[in-house]
Amino acid sequence: QKEVEQNSGPLSVPEGAIASLNCTYSDRGSQSFFWYRQYSGKSPELIMSIYSNGDKEDGRFTAQLNKASQYVSLLIRDSQPSDSATYLCAVNGVSGNTGKLIFGQGTTLQVKP
Amino acid sequence: DTAVSQTPKYLVTQMGNDKSIKCEQNLGHDTMYWYKQDSKKFLKIMFSYNNKELIINETVPNRFSPKSPDKAHLNLHINSLELGDSAVYFCASSYRGPGEKLFFGSGTQLSVL
Repeated sequence: QKEVEQNSGPLSVPEGAIASLNCTYSDRGSQSFFWYRQYSGKSPELIMSIYSNGDKEDGRFTAQLNKASQYVSLLIRDSQPSDSATYLCAVNGVSGNTGKLIFGQGTTLQVKP
Repeated sequence: DTAVSQTPKYLVTQMGNDKSIKCEQNLGHDTMYWYKQDSKKFLKIMFSYNNKELIINETVPNRFSPKSPDKAHLNLHINSLELGDSAVYFCASSYRGPGEKLFFGSGTQLSVL
């Protein structure tokens, strides 16, 4: 089992729709969860961080965390073509006590005008 | 005013050569990292330094040798380059240590011919 799993997609949504991106992780002790957006040929940029169970909203983005189910998701409301990118889920790994961030393989989102 | 800068942006070289990538951060962060992103977008940590001390050393061939002369700089030297080393290498930093949000450099696209 991979430590952090995402559906690689592509996930295609029409402009204005809600895009839902999902991520599961294996380390039950993980405490920090991040979503990064990566445009083609660019570096990852942080868009959301979440540390507690529940929802966290920032503009059109909502991160949802359920530690019992070891599940973190990202909702993008009113999706725009400019949201088309690869979204990387990152979780801090507790095993080995390094706490390093472990990334999923990313979900490619395509927003069609 | 680039926060994390790495050079060069592109590196094309022959198998067997030795090359270096340099990274500098002006954020005042304590911890710096090297991540490798393969063709499938999977980002995997290679090394991490905290205040010049190596704290994470993943299973990486010993042809890869990181060096941190001070906490603002982290370099990566690669000996005897192989075809499989072709990837994008990202430098990153975080405020205190692993498990925190990462700030990435723009990446170095390494192509080994």
